[in-house]
Amino acid sequence: EAQVTQNPRYLITVTGKKLTVTCSQNMNHEYMSWYRQDPGLGLRQIYYSMNVEVTDKGDVPEGYKVSRKEKRNFPLILESPSPNQTSLYFCASSIGRGWETQYFGPGTRLLVL
Amino acid sequence: EDQVTQSPEALRLQEGESSSLNCSYTVSGLRGLFWYRQDPGKGPEFLFTLYSAGEEKEKERLKATLTKKESFLHITAPKPEDSATYLCAVRVLGWGKFQFGAGTQVVVTP
Repeated sequence: EAQVTQNPRYLITVTGKKLTVTCSQNMNHEYMSWYRQDPGLGLRQIYYSMNVEVTDKGDVPEGYKVSRKEKRNFPLILESPSPNQTSLYFCASSIGRGWETQYFGPGTRLLVL
Repeated sequence: EDQVTQSPEALRLQEGESSSLNCSYTVSGLRGLFWYRQDPGKGPEFLFTLYSAGEEKEKERLKATLTKKESFLHITAPKPEDSATYLCAVRVLGWGKFQFGAGTQVVVTP
């Protein structure tokens, strides 16, 4: 089954404790992206990637890092999480340059205390 | 600054009562306008892509249209299963940058 998977689905952590949210797709998509979703603000793009080792910043990259060492994986790293990074995070992937169809993962709900 | 605004924020419809959702945008260099549906607790699900003014796309009870400043998602004779949050997004200049609106939450009652 074609899908985007994220792990963990739920995470409670404390300020400053480094964490990684994994994202993996099995559709051989070149393009991948991370978003955060907050009430009233909609989805905001954090980082996106065209292919292995090619990434760029979205609208809200501060406090986040990404890494694209393999085509199928695009982990999101929070080196020193803060409470304002409490949010619902989505990973997405797309096959072509037109980003015609972005397939979204199920989401990771993060609470930073 | 690129901006995407959706209205209304919420919409309550009776089954069969057609309506329209609006997505207005101010962007420099539109590279596509996208509609997604999001059910509670799930990731957004792609519905349509529109590229140029005058373009229309349909899927079941949904029809999306595009002008130079806004897009409409028309829901014809909605059913309760059409209840969801509908998100509008634009792809702007560059190869992968997106701006999303805040969404319209639609509730269809029997």
